[in-house]
Amino acid sequence: EDQVTQSPEALRLQEGESSSLNCSYTVSGLRGLFWYRQDPGKGPEFLFTLYSAGEEKEKERLKATLTKKESFLHITAPKPEDSATYLCAVQVNTGGFKTIFGAGTRLFVKA
Amino acid sequence: EAGVTQFPSHSVIEKGQTVTLRCDPISGHDNLYWYRRVMGKEIKFLLHFVKESKQDESGMPNNRFLAERTGGTYSTLKVQPAELEDSGVYFCASSSRQGSTWQYFGPGTRLTVT
Repeated sequence: EDQVTQSPEALRLQEGESSSLNCSYTVSGLRGLFWYRQDPGKGPEFLFTLYSAGEEKEKERLKATLTKKESFLHITAPKPEDSATYLCAVQVNTGGFKTIFGAGTRLFVKA
Repeated sequence: EAGVTQFPSHSVIEKGQTVTLRCDPISGHDNLYWYRRVMGKEIKFLLHFVKESKQDESGMPNNRFLAERTGGTYSTLKVQPAELEDSGVYFCASSSRQGSTWQYFGPGTRLTVT
């Protein structure tokens, strides 16, 4: 069964304390892996798409990497405004474009 | 450019009643997706439209849910009759290319069935 697992469920950091979020996946055929940011009361906001192992994408303090089994979202020197839920999702090759989400990691960054 | 909009933002109905959720995608986006997040669970895919056609409806939970997209513009998701387990947040997303990973999400409709 296709599955996406994110860890940790929650992460508390001090401002400036770098860390990584993990997304492991088991799917029959990967079309792409996405990272989203979600703030309370809002819909997910697209951050990155990764298509193949070894690929990396960067945006400000965030960097996403991909292997054949997992993806990492590295946060360098986070700020309080980076506090949000970070969602990982994979799009699978089923003939359609079904997207499977992980449960998310809630990030809290304290000043 | 206006983003994806959803209406209503919140709906409270009694078990057995009918509710219709609406999604207006970004203008020109042929692809429209419905998802939902039940309390404490991850976001789950419901279905995917390409213009007015259902491309993939494998995530629709049962026949109490009916999605339409007449004319290939806005979409509605009707739940009839609603059950307690239908409570959650329903998200709509749109993209300009089929299967595009760049999906723009709406703010969601929070549905509470009592």
